[in-house]
Amino acid sequence: SYELTQPPSVSVSPGQTARITCSGDVLPKQYVYWYQQRPGQAPVLVIYKDSERPSGIPERFSGSSSGTTATLTISGVQPEDEADYYCQSADSSGRNVVFGGGTKLTVL
Amino acid sequence: DVQLVESGGGLVKPGGSLTLSCVASGFIFDHYNMNWVRQAPGKGLEWVSSISGRSSYKYYADSVRGRFTISRDNAKTSLYLQMNSLRAEDTAVYYCALCSSSSVCNDDAFDSWGQGTMVTISS
Repeated sequence: SYELTQPPSVSVSPGQTARITCSGDVLPKQYVYWYQQRPGQAPVLVIYKDSERPSGIPERFSGSSSGTTATLTISGVQPEDEADYYCQSADSSGRNVVFGGGTKLTVL
Repeated sequence: DVQLVESGGGLVKPGGSLTLSCVASGFIFDHYNMNWVRQAPGKGLEWVSSISGRSSYKYYADSVRGRFTISRDNAKTSLYLQMNSLRAEDTAVYYCALCSSSSVCNDDAFDSWGQGTMVTISS
């Protein structure tokens, strides 16, 4: 098995840029996906295949991946972006799905 | 639109059993692999199990292998999770999830989720 490591928390003021990292040895070989989860709600996919944004997700959400680190960037953070964010990847077979521990984004 | 509705959660004593259900709509059910993902209170997400469209393949996380059984009834567009020998650490919200768009994911992620059903294991 493998692990994905995220910082437990990130805090930013409204309008600033938030960056959430995800580290793992599998990332140079596999895609990373990012989910947003608001309290009491199911996760929502906000970035797929490292840097693609699903329809309906605001343009301020972007993703990148280089080497063993992937980054979710939220530009011009809004109060409604306050949530938990999880990175996720899978091994080469696609069978073993692993989530990062999650990062709580606080909008000050 | 994809809709997933879980049910069957509840309070069970340690060592007990429970079966969760997920009714799906809005897509051709037997064309897609289905998954269960859980989240313990205040904790992160954990993939639990997956099943292929025709039930040919079933996969389990190490933490549940041998105790949980995933199944599906394509005629009823329903997914199930039979949980036996339940432990306190199985307490979680259980989500039904899938990759519904091949342009977004290749069964290695989840673009559609249900609202979840809560399972509590306590004496």
